[in-house]
Amino acid sequence: DQQVKQNSPSLSVQEGRISILNCDYTNSMFDYFLWYKKYPAEGPTFLISISSIKDKNEDGRFTVFLNKSAKHLSLHIVPSQPGDSAVYFCAAGYTGANSKLTFGKGITLSVRP
Amino acid sequence: DAGVIQSPRHEVTEMGQEVTLRCKPISGHDYLFWYRQTMMRGLELLIYFNNNVPIDDSGMPEDRFSAKMPNASFSTLKIQPSEPRDSAVYFCASRTGYDEQYFGPGTRLTVT
Repeated sequence: DQQVKQNSPSLSVQEGRISILNCDYTNSMFDYFLWYKKYPAEGPTFLISISSIKDKNEDGRFTVFLNKSAKHLSLHIVPSQPGDSAVYFCAAGYTGANSKLTFGKGITLSVRP
Repeated sequence: DAGVIQSPRHEVTEMGQEVTLRCKPISGHDYLFWYRQTMMRGLELLIYFNNNVPIDDSGMPEDRFSAKMPNASFSTLKIQPSEPRDSAVYFCASRTGYDEQYFGPGTRLTVT
């Protein structure tokens, strides 16, 4: 039972264009969401997060949008750079003691020079 | 800070052998997580600890898998006996409070 779904396994984008990575979730109890970035042979690293009380959070070239009614979030990267090529994991969790994260399967982003 | 440390980075073993993966969390972090990454299932949580106590082991696939955290600076994930379907990358992560998790570099396990 995949509670966090990243339905597109891969995305290819031209350098300088926008990359949009999508994520859907099924558990309405989730109240915060994160994106992690992973390069080959390394562990995932935190990229950006958003609380359910917000619908947008921006950090430089990265913006995460949350649509609670649709149980959907997306990560926008503008402009995309070749160094952004990596696997991106969407994760969801709930605040409270002993909380844990549920991850999606990941999306492989390739940014073409 | 050295970050989360995992060893070994690569492990190749034969089916039926015991495998032990090791993790040293970031000093001061009170939560430790073990994940497994595969193409089919993505990044799945196996077990996690709070202050060295296992909180949720519902992700542990079978009795062949066990994890321990004898102190705040060390944890092990053991597979006995190992099977080819256990081949994956195993990550350890730690965090404090409600901060984001910090992942180690992973152990790539191959069981032949």
